[in-house]
Amino acid sequence: GDSVTQTEGPVTLSEGTSLTVNCSYETKQYPTLFWYVQYPGEGPQLLFKVPKANEKGSNRGFEATYNKEATSFHLQKASVQESDSAVYYCALSGYSNNRIFFGDGTQLVVKP
Amino acid sequence: EAAVTQSPRNKVTVTGGNVTLSCRQTNSHNYMYWYRQDTGHGLRLIHYSYGAGNLQIGDVPDGYKATRTTQEDFFLLLELASPSQTSLYFCASSDLQGSSYEQYFGPGTRLTVL
Repeated sequence: GDSVTQTEGPVTLSEGTSLTVNCSYETKQYPTLFWYVQYPGEGPQLLFKVPKANEKGSNRGFEATYNKEATSFHLQKASVQESDSAVYYCALSGYSNNRIFFGDGTQLVVKP
Repeated sequence: EAAVTQSPRNKVTVTGGNVTLSCRQTNSHNYMYWYRQDTGHGLRLIHYSYGAGNLQIGDVPDGYKATRTTQEDFFLLLELASPSQTSLYFCASSDLQGSSYEQYFGPGTRLTVL
């Protein structure tokens, strides 16, 4: 079946340092890949999505490239801010699915 | 204005109690979902629906019932609540956008079963 595996948290960084959250996936379909972000006290919200292999998605300084060969979709940011502290979910959805498969989430803590 | 709302936002009940969580969406989406979120487990799908009167089983359905009364309203029912159902519950709605189902989440309901 479809599944997503991502970096186990928490990940603790100092402001201004770089971030990588690893994400790998399994599916027999041609999926759309997502990164969702959940700030404290809120529901998850879409950070960005990438529907096609070898393309890059980005938003708020975060980016990820859909690597079909490596079945990966790693989240990166060059310089994190305290306001980036949140839980990040990698996810996939196939055309024949009417649901999204989420990873377990990675908590990011950014210290000033 | 929020497109997915949930009520109540917090609920405390006792073991064996009856609980109904409500969700309303104004996105005109066909699909609605109920998740629970627990530390170490992320988001786990309980039930979902693609329209009024329809119900699909998710990954962790035991102990939960759900009912979709209209396109807008989706309810989660715990008829004999147990402490293991203490969790943060999220509702979401979605529809096909391009080639995928992008979901929009509500703010969550925190349920405590004593």
